[in-house]
Amino acid sequence: GAGVSQSPRYKVAKRGQDVALRCDPISGHVSLFWYQQALGQGPEFLTYFQNEAQLDKSGLPSDRFFAERPEGSVSTLKIQRTQQEDSAVYLCASSRTTLHDGYTFGSGTRLTVV
Amino acid sequence: AQSVTQPDIHITVSEGASLELRCNYSYGATPYLFWYVQSPGQGLQLLLKYFSGDTLVQGIKGFEAEFKRSQSSFNLRKPSVHWSDAAEYFCAVGINNDMRFGAGTRLTVKP
Repeated sequence: GAGVSQSPRYKVAKRGQDVALRCDPISGHVSLFWYQQALGQGPEFLTYFQNEAQLDKSGLPSDRFFAERPEGSVSTLKIQRTQQEDSAVYLCASSRTTLHDGYTFGSGTRLTVV
Repeated sequence: AQSVTQPDIHITVSEGASLELRCNYSYGATPYLFWYVQSPGQGLQLLLKYFSGDTLVQGIKGFEAEFKRSQSSFNLRKPSVHWSDAAEYFCAVGINNDMRFGAGTRLTVKP
C-alpha cells in the first residue's frame, strides 16, 4: 500500500480484556517496528521484525505483550489482560531495509483501558 | 547512560520568525540522527536524517539541521515559520536497528 496502515484507530478495552492491534506495512518493506507512545512522551521501542523473524523484543514491558508477523508482512501486537498503564498510542513503522532508510510510521492505534 | 534530550518542552514563535529546536544525545559513537514531526492524531513524518558527510542537512518543508560532534547536538532550524508548522517535533537517534526518541518539543505558532 501507499503507507503504513494501522487498525483500529481507537480501541477502548475494559481492564483484563485482551486486545489485538494490526499493522499493515508498506508492501515490500523488510523491517517492521512497534512503538508505544504515552501521552506527552516520545515513542518508546517495543519490538522489531526483519521479515517474519522477531529480532528484538527487548522493549516489550511484560509477558502480557506479544507480537507476531507470521508471513513477513502484516503484524499483530497482542496485549493480554490489559491494565490501565497500557493506555497509550501504539505506533507501527516499517522500513525498506534498515535504519538507514528512516522509518515510515502509521497513524497509530489509541488504546484506552478503563 | 544512552539518551536523547530535547531541553525545550514547549516553544512559541511568531509566524515568519526563525526557529531552532534543540537536541542533544549521549551515545558512545556517532549515531544516525533524525528529526520527525507529529501533527495531532497523526503518525510521525520524517523531516530529515544524518548519517555521515556534510554536517548541515536539508530536509522537507524548508527545515534543516546541523550536526555538531563536539557538542553532541543535532539542532533543527527553519528561517521562517509558517502557521502550518505547529506540531510536536521529535529528535531520534538510531543505534543498530533501534531508534530512540526524545520526549519531544511542542511548537506553537502565533499569528
